Amino acid sequence: KAGVTQTPRYLIKTRGQQVTLSCSPISGHRSVSWYQQTPGQGLQFLFEYFSETQRNKGNFPGRFSGRQFSNSRSEMNVSTLELGDSALYLCASSLGTGQGASNEKLFFGSGTQLSVL
Amino acid sequence: AQSVTQPDIHITVSEGASLELRCNYSYGATPYLFWYVQSPGQGLQLLLKYFSGDTLVQGIKGFEAEFKRSQSSFNLRKPSVHWSDAAEYFCAVAPRGGYNKLIFGAGTRLAVHP
Repeated sequence: KAGVTQTPRYLIKTRGQQVTLSCSPISGHRSVSWYQQTPGQGLQFLFEYFSETQRNKGNFPGRFSGRQFSNSRSEMNVSTLELGDSALYLCASSLGTGQGASNEKLFFGSGTQLSVL
Repeated sequence: AQSVTQPDIHITVSEGASLELRCNYSYGATPYLFWYVQSPGQGLQLLLKYFSGDTLVQGIKGFEAEFKRSQSSFNLRKPSVHWSDAAEYFCAVAPRGGYNKLIFGAGTRLAVHP
C-alpha cells in the first residue's frame, strides 16, 4: 500500500511570503503529525491532528498552523516566512486510535525541503 | 525538561564490525523509547521501540536495543554492520499517552568502511 506522500518535494520562497505544504497519510491512518528538521535545532515536533482536530502541539509560534480534512489529508501553513524557517518538513501518519500504544507506529514521508531566501 | 542525548555525533566502523550507538534520556517517568534511521534525502524509518516488558528489544535489519532504567539509557546495537547501514540514527522518546509527540536526539551519523 502507498506510503505517506508529501508535496511538493522542494519549495523556494522569499521572506514574508506564506507557504502551504501537503501530506497524504497511509490509507486508514487517522493521525497526522508534522516535524521540522534543521541542522541547528534537529527534529522538532510541530503538531498532531486526529479526526480533523489538533490533538497535540509543540512549541512553535502561531505563524505555524495546520489542518486536517475529513479524508485525513493534512496541510501545514507557515505565514510571514523567516530565513530560519528553512528546513525539511516531515509528515508522519499513524492509526492514532490509541487502542494499545504498543501497536502504534509512525510512518514518515520523505519530506518537503523548504528554502526561504 | 525532557531531553535526549546522543553523545556521538559521528561514528565510523568497518564493515562486519559490531556497533553500539548510545542514547541517554532525561524524563520524569519511563517514556516510550524509539530508534529511527534516516538515509540521505529520505524520511525516518522506525528500527525498534520500547513500550514495556522485556528490556531487550529486537528490531528490523538485525538491530537490537537495551533499556536500562538505572542508567536512563537505550543503546542501539548490531553485531555485524553492513555497508547499507550507513545513515543517520536518531533516538527518541515520547510521553505515555502522546506517542506521536516525539522528542529526538541530535542524531548519530554512521559511516561504514569497506
